[in-house]
This record gives sequence, C-alpha cells and structure tokens, in this order.
Amino acid sequence: AQTVTQSQPEMSVQEAETVTLSCTYDTSENNYYLFWYKQPPSRQMILVIRQEAYKQQNATENRFSVNFQKAAKSFSLKISDSQLGDTAMYFCAFMKHGSGGGADGLTFGKGTHLIIQP
Amino acid sequence: DVKVTQSSRYLVKRTGEKVFLECVQDMDHENMFWYRQDPGLGLRLIYFSYDVKMKEKGDIPEGYSVSREKKERFSLILESASTNQTSMYLCASSSAGEAGEKLFFGSGTQLSVL
Repeated sequence: AQTVTQSQPEMSVQEAETVTLSCTYDTSENNYYLFWYKQPPSRQMILVIRQEAYKQQNATENRFSVNFQKAAKSFSLKISDSQLGDTAMYFCAFMKHGSGGGADGLTFGKGTHLIIQP
Repeated sequence: DVKVTQSSRYLVKRTGEKVFLECVQDMDHENMFWYRQDPGLGLRLIYFSYDVKMKEKGDIPEGYSVSREKKERFSLILESASTNQTSMYLCASSSAGEAGEKLFFGSGTQLSVL
C-alpha cells in the first residue's frame, strides 16, 4: 500500500507571495499519478494539477506548478502570486496507474491548510 | 460539466438510527466512491463501486454498507449510527478505463450523530 505525507498542517503567507506546499509519498509502484486537490470553504474538492509519473516534465497550470522528484518520491506544489481565493485546504493524492481509482481509490495526505493574508 | 450531487449538505441524526446518504452523478461514470473526511486524517475510502450491484471495501468499511441499484446512484448506509461516525462524507465518481482520469467530487454531507 502507498502512503502520502504532508508535513505542513498549516501555512500562512501574504497576498502576492509565492508559497510551496510539500508532499512526499511511498510506493513500490513504478507507474502512477499524483494530484493536488484544493478544498475551499465551500467544501467542493477541485483538482488543481495532475502529474504522470512517467513524464519527467513538471506539470503547470497557470500560477500552479509542481516540483516532481521521482527518485526522492517528492511532489511539491508551488503557488505563484498567491491570491485571497487560494485560501483552502490542499490535499496531495496518489493513484496507481491502470486502477481507474479502483479499490484503492486515491490515497490522500492529511492536508495543508493554506491561508492567504491580505 | 460533470455534476456529482449529494442529497444533503447537513444531517443530524440520533445514535442507533439508520442513515442513508445519497449520491447521484450525471456523466454515466462507472466508478463511484464514498470517502470520509476528518480533520487531521485527510480522506479515507469507505467503499467503492465499479458497476451496478458491484462493490468493494475500502480502508474503513466497518459500520457502513452501500447500495448501487442504478448506475448513476450510489448510497452509503449507516445501519445503526454511532457518535464516532460524525464526520464529513464525500462522494466521487470517475470513468472506467481512463486510468489517471480525475475523480469528480460532490460538495459533501456533514453528518452529526448525537
């Protein structure tokens, strides 16, 4: 079974700053997907970014980018030019390739509560 | 857009009651999931279904059962609710055969068992 660890329970930064959320994972799988999900106060889980393990290039979505280090099993999320609307819980998640979710579903970290201060 | 709808946003029930949490998706997804979310514990998978009438246990199935009589609907059942089942429950769905395709989540049901 895989595990996902988010070592920062809470972070707080000023608006417009850059912030990095850390995530490490442990797996014996070679082919998998990694995700960052955002959960704002509305509670709706929103996919922020997805990384395929066989791709060396780091995924990017507008102000959001990841630093994927496969050998180190590290998958950090960088948010540039942070905005008040980025305030949310952020969850790192792992999915085995070919599982479609499966009985393992997504394995989630415990989350990081990010607060953007005005 | 895919829509995953959970029937209740908030529920308050008494210990020992039978509780039904309903989830409906409108994108003909094969896979449906029930997660439980607790502060400091992240999301934990309760049950998963990959087809009508098919189900598999997740990480924490004890005290729960599920029903999937129709493809679009996946119900979570607490046969006899207990206070330790007070939690946020999230339903999700995804398409089969598209490994890595994202899960679509509902907005959650906050259940309080008194």
